[in-house]
Amino acid sequence: EVQLVESGGGLVQPGGSLRLSCTASGFTFSNYGMSWVRQARGKGLEWLSAISNTGGSTYYADSVRGRFTISRDSSKNSLYLQMNSLRADDTAVYYCATWTYVMGLASWGQGALVTVSS
Amino acid sequence: IVLTQSPGTLSLSPGERATLSCRASQTVDSIYLAWYQQKPGQAPRLLIYAASSRATGIPDRFSGGGSGTDFTLTISRLEPEDFAVYYCQQYGFSPLSFGGGAKVEIK
Repeated sequence: EVQLVESGGGLVQPGGSLRLSCTASGFTFSNYGMSWVRQARGKGLEWLSAISNTGGSTYYADSVRGRFTISRDSSKNSLYLQMNSLRADDTAVYYCATWTYVMGLASWGQGALVTVSS
Repeated sequence: IVLTQSPGTLSLSPGERATLSCRASQTVDSIYLAWYQQKPGQAPRLLIYAASSRATGIPDRFSGGGSGTDFTLTISRLEPEDFAVYYCQQYGFSPLSFGGGAKVEIK
């Protein structure tokens, strides 16, 4: 069974940094691209970033390019999102998901809450 | 690519048919169009990929169609568990954009 578990969320001050992790199990991690999506309270889904299965290609939404960095470590079956220069409007639940050109975002984690507030 | 979903809210009764629309600002290759369902407090769930292929375990009352710039998700007979928010997404080109969502609520 595919399982994705996000961790690293919490409260951070504006301008601060946070690193989210997503630990994968139940599938061959190195065969799948991965993606981050967020959802502010009461709002829709916002795609943030994606990374190819090898890590050789990364993609970002304009809203986070230059502030967020996606990376992966296949030896640890883990995906990361380094978030810098955080703003109040980055407050949201952050989801990781598997990503393929065949099926899109097929499997999702349960989400991690990030709150940016002083 | 901007995806616009309509209507924003659909009020229907169990057993009725729901038709949700997703219109793209430019042509989307149908092999890269997906639909997701999200219930309150839960992560989204993949329903349909490649515009018309059901994901594993998705009942056949859910169907997707369309091409070019116009896509639809149809729920043939609404079950109580189908009342939720639905999102379309194109996943072939960065940025991988989502539609704004469409809520199917009980009338």
